Amino acid sequence: DTAVSQTPKYLVTQMGNDKSIKCEQNLGHDTMYWYKQDSKKFLKIMFSYNNKELIINETVPNRFSPKSPDKAHLNLHINSLELGDSAVYFCASSLRGGTDEQFFGPGTRLTVL
Amino acid sequence: RKEVEQDPGPFNVPEGATVAFNCTYSNSASQSFFWYRQDCRKEPKLLMSVYSSGNEDGRFTAQLNRASQYISLLIRDSKLSDSATYLCVVNLYPLRGSARQLTFGSGTQLTVLP
Repeated sequence: DTAVSQTPKYLVTQMGNDKSIKCEQNLGHDTMYWYKQDSKKFLKIMFSYNNKELIINETVPNRFSPKSPDKAHLNLHINSLELGDSAVYFCASSLRGGTDEQFFGPGTRLTVL
Repeated sequence: RKEVEQDPGPFNVPEGATVAFNCTYSNSASQSFFWYRQDCRKEPKLLMSVYSSGNEDGRFTAQLNRASQYISLLIRDSKLSDSATYLCVVNLYPLRGSARQLTFGSGTQLTVLP
C-alpha cells in the first residue's frame, strides 16, 4: 500500500515540450513538497505546499508550477523543457511541515533530449 | 558556504567496521536535525532524528554539538545492507515564507565490502 506515489517513473521528452508529473499521498498529510535531485545527487527543495501556503524556492524558474487539485495531490507542471531540467524529481509529504518526518515518493527520472 | 556540508566520500569499509560521518550546518537558529538514508536509485528515507543529548538506535548513534554546529552519525558493526548514501538534514528557512523547511546535505556515500 504505497504511501506517496508518483507517475510516471521515467519520462523522456524533447526540449521545448510541456510535461506534468503527478503525485499522490494517502497518509492524510497536510504538507507536500517537490524536490529536484541533480546528477551530483544534491537534493534541493523546489516547492512546499499546504492548504494555506505555497512557498516557492526563488531559484526555481517560473516554467515550473505546482498544481494541487486537493490535499492529497500535488502535481508538477513544466513548460518549455530545457536540457538542464534533466534530473530525478521527488515528491514528498509530511504531517505538518518544517520539522516533521518527510515521506518521499519513488521519484520520476526526467530526461530531456 | 553551503547551508549543510558533508564529506561526500566515498567511504569503503569492510563488514564489521565502525564508520563515522560528519556534517556541519551554517545557521545557528536551526532546531531540528536528522539523518536520512538513500539507497541507489531509490528515494530518501528517515534513518533517525538527532537529539541534543545524543541518541542511539541499535548500531546507529547520532550526536549533535550545537556550539560547533556539528552533527555526526556512527555506525558500528557495519553490514553489507548499510551500503547507501547518508544525508544530513537540518531544518532551516531556505525558502521565502514563514515555514521552516528541511535542507539536505549532498550526502556521504558508504560501501560496505564483504
